[in-house]
Amino acid sequence: DVKVTQSSRYLVKRTGEKVFLECVQDMDHENMFWYRQDPGLGLRLIYFSYDVKMKEKGDIPEGYSVSREKKERFSLILESASTNQTSMYLCASSLPPTRTAKNIQYFGAGTRLSVL
Amino acid sequence: KNQVEQSPQSLIILEGKNCTLQCNYTVSPFSNLRWYKQDTGRGPVSLTIMTFSENTKSNGRYTATLDADTKQSSLHITASQLSDSASYICVVRTPAGKSTFGDGTTLTVKP
Repeated sequence: DVKVTQSSRYLVKRTGEKVFLECVQDMDHENMFWYRQDPGLGLRLIYFSYDVKMKEKGDIPEGYSVSREKKERFSLILESASTNQTSMYLCASSLPPTRTAKNIQYFGAGTRLSVL
Repeated sequence: KNQVEQSPQSLIILEGKNCTLQCNYTVSPFSNLRWYKQDTGRGPVSLTIMTFSENTKSNGRYTATLDADTKQSSLHITASQLSDSASYICVVRTPAGKSTFGDGTTLTVKP
């Protein structure tokens, strides 16, 4: 059974703290993604990775960085957390794109981060 | 700007009733359209995925339609159950792999 695991369901951090959100998938997927989900804005892509040590900026990368040292693990880093980064963070993984692949994304349960 | 608009924003129905959720998009070029179900406090789970040539696809009590000419999709839920209460998210993907997410429709099924 497909599994994407996010290390924390809830996190509370203070402004200026460095925050690590961890995501692990057990499906040997090449692609991994980090989104944030906010009311009225839907899911917005922060960063994605198509391979180990490879990363690409998504639509809203400012204030975030990522790390993909191993294929199964994709970490999202908030270098200095701010209150506007309070959100639900969702990790996803999928197979690599091909001409006919439908690329279903499998999502983790999400991490609800509150920055005070 | 590529957009995905979903309607209604929220919907309340009685258990056993049918309902239809709408998704209109301007994303171009088009590769596929996916409907996800997201239970409260959980990540989205794929329900259906449709490519340009597919007009209708069913998954149990869920039936998705796609009109690629008018850039509209619908998700029809038959004989609703309490467990159908969730957010339903429409996602459109380009051939380059960029996904645009709708904001979702929140469905509440009441006994």
